Amino acid sequence: AQRVTQPEKLLSVFKGAPVELKCNYSYSGSPELFWYVQYSRQRLQLLLRHISRESIKGFTADLNKGETSFHLKKPFAQEEDSAMYYCALSLNAGNNRKLIWGLGTSLAVNP
Amino acid sequence: GAGVSQSPSNKVTEKGKDVELRCDPISGHTALYWYRQRLGQGLEFLIYFQGNSAPDKSGLPSDRFSAERTGESVSTLTIQRTQQEDSAVYLCASSLPSGAEAFFGQGTRLTVV
Repeated sequence: AQRVTQPEKLLSVFKGAPVELKCNYSYSGSPELFWYVQYSRQRLQLLLRHISRESIKGFTADLNKGETSFHLKKPFAQEEDSAMYYCALSLNAGNNRKLIWGLGTSLAVNP
Repeated sequence: GAGVSQSPSNKVTEKGKDVELRCDPISGHTALYWYRQRLGQGLEFLIYFQGNSAPDKSGLPSDRFSAERTGESVSTLTIQRTQQEDSAVYLCASSLPSGAEAFFGQGTRLTVV
């Protein structure tokens, strides 16, 4: 069965420290993975997708098919990075696409 | 505004009453999702529409929950005989048929008292 696992419910780091939010997936097809972020009192929004291989707000995520992982990393965390982060897997079944979500990781960056 | 719109933004209802939540997706988005987000919890999938059919209703927690979609536009999520445990933020998202990026509404905060 398709599944996305975010093992950490809460991650707390100090400002300037590196941060890694873990995401593992289970999918036999070719995965398309995303990270979404929800800042306090804002709507959930796309942060980045693996196919674009971009860095957004200093965050990067590399798809590792061998380890079936798509961890989100930032070398120096900032207080404004405090938010809820969700990893999502897109399934393509014919004309349908469906997102499978992890349960989310709450990142707290302390001063 | 071309974003996903949900109404009402807040709803307080008495236990046992029925409520109807509305989602207006972005025009042209054939996929529509409903999620529930309890306080301090992650996203809980409820139902997925492709056009006006619902190929996946597996997340609806009980038969008190139902959802409809008119064509490729408005969707309503109905909760009958509300219970206190139904209190949560209900999120709607839509996406294009060719792209997987989901665009979210601001949510409806439901409080059952």
